Amino acid sequence: KNEVEQSPQNLTAQEGEFITINCSYSVGISALHWLQQHPGGGIVSLFMLSSGKKKHGRLIATINIQEKHSSLHITASHPRDSAVYICAVRDETSGSRLTFGEGTQLTVNP
Amino acid sequence: NAGVMQNPRHLVRRRGQEARLRCSPMKGHSHVYWYRQLPEEGLKFMVYLQKENIIDESGMPKERFSAEFPKEGPSILRIQQVVRGDSAAYFCASSPPMREMRAYEQYFGPGTRLTVT
Repeated sequence: KNEVEQSPQNLTAQEGEFITINCSYSVGISALHWLQQHPGGGIVSLFMLSSGKKKHGRLIATINIQEKHSSLHITASHPRDSAVYICAVRDETSGSRLTFGEGTQLTVNP
Repeated sequence: NAGVMQNPRHLVRRRGQEARLRCSPMKGHSHVYWYRQLPEEGLKFMVYLQKENIIDESGMPKERFSAEFPKEGPSILRIQQVVRGDSAAYFCASSPPMREMRAYEQYFGPGTRLTVT
């Protein structure tokens, strides 16, 4: 079992739909990151959080430390949101390195 | 403030050659991380370096791979005697010094795509 599990692996939505991507992890963490990887391959850091909720534009990230679970929400999805979304955790015992989920491929159709 | 720079963006090597991948962290960042993404797989940690020090190399293959982050200049990931299985995207990320509030933030470079023929 991977330390970081994401669901779903693939997600197709229509423009305007509300999107949720889930991330569960099995270790104690000091921080959780949500990353976005576009078809060209570049990686952008969307959020880093260790508790509660963060919002940036149409993106919202939440984390429940007790349940070891985080969600990434996209409101009013748009075709330009199509990308791979990756959850990564910083294990509280392993220093600064990140452990990554396998990613969720999101496709938003017009 | 320029972001994390990696070069080259694409690198083709024949089996047995050496590959050198360079990463220049963001200005003011003193920590560098290297990650590898094999085809159709997720990202995997390789090594974490500070200036002139390797802090964690638990993700590095035992042979042929080495990394450095000298006092001056970029961080270098070196792969000797490359094999086809080394074909992957190699990403570098940097973060501020630990004394700063945003020390846990990591900023990713655009990656180097290595193809071994």
